[in-house]
Amino acid sequence: GAGVSQSPSNKVTEKGKDVELRCDPISGHTALYWYRQRLGQGLEFLIYFQGNSAPDKSGLPSDRFSAERTGESVSTLTIQRTQQEDSAVYLCASSTTSVGTDTQYFGPGTRLTVL
Amino acid sequence: RKEVEQDPGPFNVPEGATVAFNCTYSNSASQSFFWYRQDCRKEPKLLMSVYSSGNEDGRFTAQLNRASQYISLLIRDSKLSDSATYLCVVRDDKIIFGKGTRLHILP
Repeated sequence: GAGVSQSPSNKVTEKGKDVELRCDPISGHTALYWYRQRLGQGLEFLIYFQGNSAPDKSGLPSDRFSAERTGESVSTLTIQRTQQEDSAVYLCASSTTSVGTDTQYFGPGTRLTVL
Repeated sequence: RKEVEQDPGPFNVPEGATVAFNCTYSNSASQSFFWYRQDCRKEPKLLMSVYSSGNEDGRFTAQLNRASQYISLLIRDSKLSDSATYLCVVRDDKIIFGKGTRLHILP
């Protein structure tokens, strides 16, 4: 079946602009995760959804970052007033549930470059 | 102590050799452990979960040492295609990825 998809695959924007990143999880997966990975660095957890609610937003770096999920499906990560330090690959993952033993399947990521 | 620590490497290993690396974690209450593999400029993919009793999948063996709070990954008869970054993942009430260990298999 189809895996996790993300769009756009690449986004170049100017400092100060808003961007919206999209994630389509695997059908039927109730848990959805957003991560950020800066060049040469590890994954940084941002937020996760169980269904449409976000029990853990602790990883969002600032109030410029927000995320929502509707219909227990698509999720969007919005970054307002982008800064150069926001440049990174934003990865989305989904899993059957949020139970700790469930495998996370990652999408290919959105590479964001803020000029 | 960092929550999850890995030796960043790189480990440069000749093809056919055995290589092992560890990942230490700080929270003794951590419940789930995984090894992911990430190829250059690609997304992470699950390599294997790590069970308390240890588990093996072909050339790969994962072990958990709760007393010393580390997990390990052993790769036997290494292949060129094993070259990648290996990420350790620890879950308690959070999901924490290690920064990864880079492995280069040399022909």
